[in-house]
Amino acid sequence: GAVVSQHPSRVICKSGTSVKIECRSLDFQATTMFWYRQFPKQSLMLMATSNEGSKATYEQGVEKDKFLINHASLTLSTLTVTSAHPEDSSFYICSALPTGDTQYFGPGTRLTVL
Amino acid sequence: GDSVTQMEGPVTLSEEAFLTINCTYTATGYPSLFWYVQYPGEGLQLLLKATKADDKGSNKGFEATYRKETTSFPLEKGSVQVSDSAVYFCALRGGATNKLIFGTGTLLAVQP
Repeated sequence: GAVVSQHPSRVICKSGTSVKIECRSLDFQATTMFWYRQFPKQSLMLMATSNEGSKATYEQGVEKDKFLINHASLTLSTLTVTSAHPEDSSFYICSALPTGDTQYFGPGTRLTVL
Repeated sequence: GDSVTQMEGPVTLSEEAFLTINCTYTATGYPSLFWYVQYPGEGLQLLLKATKADDKGSNKGFEATYRKETTSFPLEKGSVQVSDSAVYFCALRGGATNKLIFGTGTLLAVQP
């Protein structure tokens, strides 16, 4: 149980285009989902907290207009990287929080912006 | 603010060696503590957790005890295997939020 999926697993796009990443909780409902960014050989940096039916809460320094988050249902949150540039290339990971305090993580999405 | 400090890696061990990865934390109140593991090319998986002082989390032969007096949560395993090679992250969840604060991760490489 407690499986979280992400789609796509890898995406390559041209600079200036937008990319949407989906995060789904497959066997539970999650009112809260989180989006992280992981740089090579570094830890996870929390980007934003996504709450179903309300606006996401962004961490300091994260551009909300660039990283659009939508949490339209209890099992789906999306992260859209708008007007992507090479510096946005990274590993993006989502997690979902059912009841309790344990987050369950998706497998991640590798974004490469050319 | 709250923070987690992990020993820097990489940690290289021979198969069947004893493993300890240190983790210390700074937090107000009484945080929950977690160890996550990330295998090559995969996302994070919860390895174990402890929610209060003196609790011991355990899974797959790994153990960690919540030590409030030393604000530490060291990960241990008596006999590591090659398949344990991965990055291990210590994390805490404190206060009134559900946010996780991660350490920088420790790469473990187990050689046959």
